[in-house]
Amino acid sequence: QKEVEQNSGPLSVPEGAIASLNCTYSDRGSQSFFWYRQYSGKSPELIMSIYSNGDKEDGRFTAQLNKASQYVSLLIRDSQPSDSATYLCAVKNPGNTPLVFGKGTRLSVIA
Amino acid sequence: EAQVTQNPRYLITVTGKKLTVTCSQNMNHEYMSWYRQDPGLGLRQIYYSMNVEVTDKGDVPEGYKVSRKEKRNFPLILESPSPNQTSLYFCASSFGGTSGANVLTFGAGSRLTVL
Repeated sequence: QKEVEQNSGPLSVPEGAIASLNCTYSDRGSQSFFWYRQYSGKSPELIMSIYSNGDKEDGRFTAQLNKASQYVSLLIRDSQPSDSATYLCAVKNPGNTPLVFGKGTRLSVIA
Repeated sequence: EAQVTQNPRYLITVTGKKLTVTCSQNMNHEYMSWYRQDPGLGLRQIYYSMNVEVTDKGDVPEGYKVSRKEKRNFPLILESPSPNQTSLYFCASSFGGTSGANVLTFGAGSRLTVL
């Protein structure tokens, strides 16, 4: 069973702080990694994708990938109350396979 | 506008009454998938389709059927709904075809209650 693990939270951070969300995966052959944001009662929306080791930055968001440790993280700088949501990590394994989702981490940014 | 459209968005039904949730995408995506989302359980995949006439079971297929007769449509059928199928359902699509799902675009969700 290929698994993607996330801490369910809630992770509470004060406004303006850095929020750090973590995800581990079990399949060493995993190729592509995605972070989705989901507001309560809404559909998931893609915010970051990362395919190679290292950091990828997009505005206030930075995705970090370490394939040796089978670890992917999402950093949100200058967190805002509007960032309060559940963040889903998704992993693409090799071949003819669907994405595998973690259960998500609920983030709460306190004003 | 590129989108995945699900209908109905909200439905209350009774045990045993067959229902269909439609899903349509206008992006010419090969890959389509259905998920259900329940508190504490995350997104769980019900069925997926790599292309027309190709469907496969996901993690929780029991009680559901799907078909993929056209590229743009992927309806979810509950032949005899039961209360444990009360959930929030999402349809999603992506390019990818035989290489599997890639970046997914989700529909707005369908909240189903079975009494």
